[in-house]
Amino acid sequence: EDQVTQSPEALRLQEGESSSLNCSYTVSGLRGLFWYRQDPGKGPEFLFTLYSAGEEKEKERLKATLTKKESFLHITAPKPEDSATYLCAVEDNYGQNFVFGPGTRLSVLP
Amino acid sequence: KAGVTQTPRYLIKTRGQQVTLSCSPISGHRSVSWYQQTPGQGLQFLFEYFSETQRNKGNFPGRFSGRQFSNSRSEMNVSTLELGDSALYLCASSLAQGPSYGYTFGSGTRLTVV
Repeated sequence: EDQVTQSPEALRLQEGESSSLNCSYTVSGLRGLFWYRQDPGKGPEFLFTLYSAGEEKEKERLKATLTKKESFLHITAPKPEDSATYLCAVEDNYGQNFVFGPGTRLSVLP
Repeated sequence: KAGVTQTPRYLIKTRGQQVTLSCSPISGHRSVSWYQQTPGQGLQFLFEYFSETQRNKGNFPGRFSGRQFSNSRSEMNVSTLELGDSALYLCASSLAQGPSYGYTFGSGTRLTVV
């Protein structure tokens, strides 16, 4: 059964304090790993898709990396507006399963 | 361009009633997927429609159903509501079937069952 776990469950950072969020997955053949950002009262907003181990994607202060077992979302010098819940999800090779992790709730304090 | 529109935004229903939620995808998008989000279970896949046909279904009871119209708009229906159906229901549209083509989510319908 495809599974996705994320850690930590919640993270509080001071503005400018860099850190990483973890997404560990078990899937019967990975088609893609996706990162989303969700603000309170809104739907998830797409950030990145990673397809193979070693791949990296960057967007502003965010950088996502992928290994065969996990993905990291690195946040460099975060700002309060980066506060949100970050979700990762995996799609299997058959395109039949798309499973979300529980998310990491990030708070960046000014 | 207009995003994914879900109506209504908020809904309060009584146990045993039924409810219909609506989703209008981005213009040109032919796939609509529905998800249930709760604090305990997170985001769980309900079903996906593409070209008016259900292409994939999650592990939910038959009380949850959906359909897609020729203009790609989709509705989901929940019959005989239970307290545990209280959740944020999200729809996501994409150009083609599956998340690899890029999901765009709506803001959701917050359903409260009392």
